[in-house]
Amino acid sequence: DTGVSQDPRHKITKRGQNVTFRCDPISEHNRLYWYRQTLGQGPEFLTYFQNEAQLEKSRLLSDRFSAERPKGSFSTLEIQRTEQGDSAMYLCASSDGTGGRGYGYTFGSGTRLTVV
Amino acid sequence: AQKITQTQPGMFVQEKEAVTLDCTYDTSDQSYGLFWYKQPSSGEMIFLIYQGSYDEQNATEGRYSLNFQKARKSANLVISASQLGDSAMYFCAMRERTQGGSEKLVFGKGTKLTVNP
Repeated sequence: DTGVSQDPRHKITKRGQNVTFRCDPISEHNRLYWYRQTLGQGPEFLTYFQNEAQLEKSRLLSDRFSAERPKGSFSTLEIQRTEQGDSAMYLCASSDGTGGRGYGYTFGSGTRLTVV
Repeated sequence: AQKITQTQPGMFVQEKEAVTLDCTYDTSDQSYGLFWYKQPSSGEMIFLIYQGSYDEQNATEGRYSLNFQKARKSANLVISASQLGDSAMYFCAMRERTQGGSEKLVFGKGTKLTVNP
């Protein structure tokens, strides 16, 4: 069990470009979450997958954002036509939903996006 | 309305002393869970402690304990014997049901803890 992996750790992009982030959850976890954390704030929920199904999307997830989890394994979060307001830390978390220590939530180290 | 309130933007504590980080929450659910996470400058969210709403005893995990006062809707984190490595951001979070029937974590704005030698 290597935990939740996110790639890349850092991304600098020019305004208007598209970016894609990847999250590899803990293998036996069927639930996967994306959160966004802006400077000085706590993480905010973006979207939730149970296996390959995207069951919940926050209103924060504008049309420029799309997330997938093909085959219920890794997930990708794509931002099209990036804006400076998209600069944030994007955190991925996974859980098995069965409770236990920490209620099973495990976070990745995040992808820090800077839009210039 | 904020669901998780952390009123202390920053806290300072001397090494080896205890410190309490405040958290109040707002929910109408009977079943909920409260978490504390530590976030060092590297960015990862490190789980510290969890308290379920039906748990009768306050949760403890090593040097961390959660002072759960259900009637006051508070879930303060107590760190005993502070260490220099405890310097980080600390977030209180609540597990809540979404309209779609799933669940998510709702976070407060965090408290920056600085441990002085």
